[in-house]
Order: sequence, then structure tokens, then C-alpha cells
Amino acid sequence: QEKVQQSPESLIVPEGAMVSLNCSFSDSASQSIWWYQQHPGKGPKALISIFSNGNKKEGRLTVYLNRASLHVSLHIKDSQPSDSAVYLCAVSEGGGSNYKLTFGKGTLLTVTP
Amino acid sequence: GPKVLQIPSHQIIDMGQMVTLNCDPVSNHLYFYWYKQILGQQMEFLVNFYNGKVMEKSKLFKDQFSVERPDGSYFTLKIQPTALEDSAVYFCASSLEGSQNTLYFGAGTRLSVL
Repeated sequence: QEKVQQSPESLIVPEGAMVSLNCSFSDSASQSIWWYQQHPGKGPKALISIFSNGNKKEGRLTVYLNRASLHVSLHIKDSQPSDSAVYLCAVSEGGGSNYKLTFGKGTLLTVTP
Repeated sequence: GPKVLQIPSHQIIDMGQMVTLNCDPVSNHLYFYWYKQILGQQMEFLVNFYNGKVMEKSKLFKDQFSVERPDGSYFTLKIQPTALEDSAVYFCASSLEGSQNTLYFGAGTRLSVL
């Protein structure tokens, strides 16, 4: 059973700051790692995913994956108040009809104006 | 983007009653999921469903739980009978394919069992 741990639990930053969120997972053979954003009262929304070691950049988001250390991080550049939300790290398991995501508890991000 | 609709948003029932949670997945999606989130805890996988069948279920998917998608309409989660520990937010998700595909989530149904 995959385990996903996220840190920090919560984070408060001023507008414009760079945000760094961390996630560790237990299975080096795990497949893709996903980051989801969840606003209060809403369902999680996929932001970015990564499969291969290294980094991937999409707009203000950059994700770094190191399978050897079982660690992935999400960096948000030039953070905005609208980025305030819970960020969930999820690891994919299985394939085809057995595919599923295992989630961490999340990091609550607050960006102050 | 693609939308998953969950009905109702909040359901309050007495322990022992039956409840059905409804999910309208993205129209062309083939894979369906239910997740359970207790307040303050992480979202946990319950079950996935494909081609009219349960593919995998977790230990949280008790015998009192069942899922179906009759005639390609709503994907439903039924709990009969309900227990106090079933109080949680239940999220439905769908994806077009299995592996490495984006899961699209609904806003959840908050179930309160009294």
C-alpha cells in the first residue's frame, strides 16, 4: 500500500513569493506523481503530473521528481491570493482498469495580499 | 474543463437508513471512482469501476456498500444500512482511460449519519 506524506501541513506567504511544497512516497516503482489543487467546498483539480526523474515546468508551476530519494516537490512562482488552497500530492498505482490515485493529507497554502 | 456533477451536495440521514449518492461523470469517460474523506484526514480510495464491473475495492468498501451505473446514466454509491462511521465527504471521479490519465473530481457529497 503506497504511503504519501506531505510537508509542511500549512504555509502562509506574501503575494509574489515563491512557494515550495514537498511530498514523499514509499514505492520507487510508483508511476506518475500528480499535484491537485482543492479550494474549499470544491473537488480536487489536477494541476500538473510528472513521470520521469527531473523537472517539468508549466506556466508558474515547476515540479521536481527524484525517484531515488522518493521525493517530489511543487514550486509556485509569483504566488497570487487566488493560489490559496489545499495542495494534494497523489501517486498513481495500478494500470488499466486497476488504475487509482493515492493521496497525501495536503498542504494548506495561504497567500496574503 | 470537464465537469463531474455530484448530487446532492449534502445528505443527512438516520443511522440504519439507506442512502444513494449520485454522480454524473464526464460524458465520454469510461473509468469511475469513489473516494472518502473524513474531516481532517486524507482522501482515501474506495472503489474503481469499469465496463459495468468493480475492478478494485479497498478495505473501506464494506459489504454494506455497492456501486453501479445502470444504463450509462448516474454512477451511484449506495450504503445500506448506514453507520455513524460512514459520515464523511464522498468524492466521485472519472477518467477517459486507465493508466496515467487525469482523474476529474466532483465537488463531493457531505454525508451526515445521525
